[in-house]
Amino acid sequence: DAGVIQSPRHEVTEMGQEVTLRCKPISGHNSLFWYRQTMMRGLELLIYFNNNVPIDDSGMPEDRFSAKMPNASFSTLKIQPSEPRDSAVYFCASSLRAGGETQYFGPGTRLLVL
Amino acid sequence: RKEVEQDPGPFNVPEGATVAFNCTYSNSASQSFFWYRQDCRKEPKLLMSVYSSGNEDGRFTAQLNRASQYISLLIRDSKLSDSATYLCVVSAYGGATNKLIFGTGTLLAVQP
Repeated sequence: DAGVIQSPRHEVTEMGQEVTLRCKPISGHNSLFWYRQTMMRGLELLIYFNNNVPIDDSGMPEDRFSAKMPNASFSTLKIQPSEPRDSAVYFCASSLRAGGETQYFGPGTRLLVL
Repeated sequence: RKEVEQDPGPFNVPEGATVAFNCTYSNSASQSFFWYRQDCRKEPKLLMSVYSSGNEDGRFTAQLNRASQYISLLIRDSKLSDSATYLCVVSAYGGATNKLIFGTGTLLAVQP
C-alpha cells in the first residue's frame, strides 16, 4: 500500500529560480497538507486542502509561494522566485477526513537554494 | 506564548531507563492529541494518539490532563532504537478543522 509520494526528494537550485514540489496523497484521503521544517522554526503548516479546495493558507510565507490541487491525487507547491531562506525540508501529508485526524507524511523534499 | 511547548532536550539516557516527556498546549478547545516520532532525516510518523483516560501501547504510556492543558509520554525500558525526536501534536481547535499544531520536538538519545 503506497504512502504519500513526494518528488523530487532533493532539489538544489540557484536564487531566483522557480521550484516546483509535487505530492501524491494516499488514495482515498480527502485532506492534504504542505509543511516546511527548519531547525530554527520546527514544523510549520503552510497550507491545507479539503476535497481539493484550499482551506487555510495563512501559513504561506509570502506571495512567492503558491499551491494547487487540481485533483484528488496530485498537488504542487511552487516557489517563484526562490531565495536562500527558503532552504528547508518540505513535507506533504494527507489524512482521511477533517476533524483532527491522524496525518500521514511523505518522505519530504530537501530544498537548498544557493 | 507558543501554541505547543516542549522541552527540546536532548535527553541522554542509558538503555533500560525510564524517560518522560512533557508538553503543554495553549488552546483549551483542542480535542485531538498525538505523539509523533521523527527519526533523523526522516518524516514524522504517528507514535500514538492520546486519550483523556490515558493509554498504553507496550512500553509507551501517554497521559492527558485537560485541566492543566498538559500531555505526557512515558517510555519504559528504553531501547537504542527509541532514539529519535518526539513531537507533541495538538489539534487547532474542536470541530471540522483538521489543522494540527506540532511542537518543536524533544530529542531522545538512548546510550548503550
